Amino acid sequence: DTAVSQTPKYLVTQMGNDKSIKCEQNLGHDTMYWYKQDSKKFLKIMFSYNNKELIINETVPNRFSPKSPDKAHLNLHINSLELGDSAVYFCASSVWGPNTGELFFGEGSRLTVL
Amino acid sequence: AQSVTQLGSHVSVSEGALVLLRCNYSSSVPPYLFWYVQYPNQGLQLLLKYTSAATLVKGINDFEAEFKKSETSFHLTKPSAHMSDAAEYFCAVSRPGIAGGTSYGKLTFGQGTILTVHP
Repeated sequence: DTAVSQTPKYLVTQMGNDKSIKCEQNLGHDTMYWYKQDSKKFLKIMFSYNNKELIINETVPNRFSPKSPDKAHLNLHINSLELGDSAVYFCASSVWGPNTGELFFGEGSRLTVL
Repeated sequence: AQSVTQLGSHVSVSEGALVLLRCNYSSSVPPYLFWYVQYPNQGLQLLLKYTSAATLVKGINDFEAEFKKSETSFHLTKPSAHMSDAAEYFCAVSRPGIAGGTSYGKLTFGQGTILTVHP
């Protein structure tokens, strides 16, 4: 029973297309995140949501729009895909609080833009 | 601003040998520090964390790390490597307790170290 699950695991698409990645967690956490891992393996936070409210938005282009319909789900929609968007996108969840550091990650969604 | 540097993108050891993965950080405030492990085709999972209590931290699978403020280091060690330890390891830092929650869960990661274990 996967704790943090993302779909799809692999996405191959053309430049200019729009795509979505979905994430669900069954850990009862109230905070969810999107992290991006680039080709050099650097992981960087993009967004965080707490109880459906956007908390962190790390200067990500407007083409990226996260949506959290409830605290167990966080989706990522990307418009007008560019070559530089190719990366692995990780969803994660945690409990909310100042001592938060233990994140539970999904397996990642590998996006390739051609 | 904070940053993490992992010395050595690849480390290779023999089974039974000592594992040492190096991590240095910079942070303008006392940090929280973490080691995560990523097995092939899996998400990252927490190995251990330092949150300002004991400076020697023990984690899962006999890994441990020591926070050394004077050296701004948080190196990961394991006395005896096992084949199943082969994975990629990430060091991360966070700035705890900043008002408004904009630091909660915001980890700055190093670039990762791939550990290979030879029989």
